[in-house]
Amino acid sequence: ETGVTQSPTHLIKTRGQQVTLRCSSQSGHNTVSWYQQALGQGPQFIFQYYREEENGRGNFPPRFSGLQFPNYSSELNVNALELDDSALYLCASSLDLEKYNEQFFGPGTRLTVL
Amino acid sequence: GESVGLHLPTLSVQEGDNSIINCAYSNSASDYFIWYKQESGKGPQFIIDIRSNMDKRQGQRVTVLLNKTVKHLSLQIAATQPGDSAVYFCAEIENTGNQFYFGTGTSLTVIP
Repeated sequence: ETGVTQSPTHLIKTRGQQVTLRCSSQSGHNTVSWYQQALGQGPQFIFQYYREEENGRGNFPPRFSGLQFPNYSSELNVNALELDDSALYLCASSLDLEKYNEQFFGPGTRLTVL
Repeated sequence: GESVGLHLPTLSVQEGDNSIINCAYSNSASDYFIWYKQESGKGPQFIIDIRSNMDKRQGQRVTVLLNKTVKHLSLQIAATQPGDSAVYFCAEIENTGNQFYFGTGTSLTVIP
């Protein structure tokens, strides 16, 4: 196990609803990144947080937003859910910026939008 | 995002044989590459990395080769074992350091 946990494991929502996904970083890790992985595809970078500030963002609309808390845990919020938002959402934590070889992924949250 | 793709979506090998998984990338600004292994129901797991100032790096049973001229990356797994069965992704990181691009993935099946 990586020490990165995510909740919930699975989630079913309907189109137009809002969802919050949670991630607990590995102890001491101050950097968290979120990814969306559609079925049969590679993960797509959503954004990264470093010490509670957004530090980079992929090609995702503003209805995807995030937070990082003082204990470095993190949330991903998605508003106005669309069918195409159905995917596995992964978070990954690392000890510091650019420590990608020490980035550990959680098991993901499987979101289904009906 | 930039295009990071794999030549073979699926690969089957006999146990004990060597495996080679290929990846093409298109962003010449990328200076760091990582191979990940993803087993069913789990997040990606780091295997090996390589920086653009290198052309080869070896780990335990794995070797990554980088050919910047043709923008090609490969992962070689020696003496493939059933536990190596998984989906393998290459990822490239731009030198800004905060953008990741993953490829589509290759599913490796090891036949006992």
